Amino acid sequence: DSGVTQTPKHLITATGQRVTLRCSPRSGDLSVYWYQQSLDQGLQFLIQYYNGEERAKGNILERFSAQQFPDLHSELNLSSLELGDSALYFCASSVGLEEGYEQYFGPGTRLTVT
Amino acid sequence: GEDVEQSLFLSVREGDSSVINCTYTDSSSTYLYWYKQEPGAGLQLLTYIFSNMDMKQDQRLTVLLNKKDKHLSLRIADTQTGDSAIYFCAESMGLTGGGNKLTFGTGTQLKVEL
Repeated sequence: DSGVTQTPKHLITATGQRVTLRCSPRSGDLSVYWYQQSLDQGLQFLIQYYNGEERAKGNILERFSAQQFPDLHSELNLSSLELGDSALYFCASSVGLEEGYEQYFGPGTRLTVT
Repeated sequence: GEDVEQSLFLSVREGDSSVINCTYTDSSSTYLYWYKQEPGAGLQLLTYIFSNMDMKQDQRLTVLLNKKDKHLSLRIADTQTGDSAIYFCAESMGLTGGGNKLTFGTGTQLKVEL
């Protein structure tokens, strides 16, 4: 158990809908990262928040957004969902902002868009 | 550029050593990681190596780094059936704004046979 929690574990929704994925980092960690794992793209970095502020952005679609709250939990919002958004979404956390801090991953949320 | 490559599949007998290889392209990567993913589970951090090291040993795991060839390997001694999983190498990258991300390889499926 990494100490990172994600809810829900599974999510099934229809195209065009909007969903929210939730992540709680390990106690003491200030950075939260979101990654997407799909069959065709592999594991891709989406976005990083540190202490409530967005600090790094990857190949995140404009239909996706995230935020980190004062209690440090984070939410990833996916809207106007398409079939291709079906994937496993991972949250990770680390103590610090820069590279070199170990990233610990949650169990993931499996999103299925039908 | 960012491209991390791994062979897709490795099969070994229980008790043998496994060697999983990874080639990365970003010579500025400071940290390189190995993660394990079991079916239906998240990513478990196994070990990491700092780029100024050639080797790191951690119990049954040995990481070798050839920075000149941008080649990383993970050796698992006395491989057990519980080691069957997908293994990902990842390179870290610092980003503008102070943040960072991990770039993952395609993953190597390790199958341990009796």
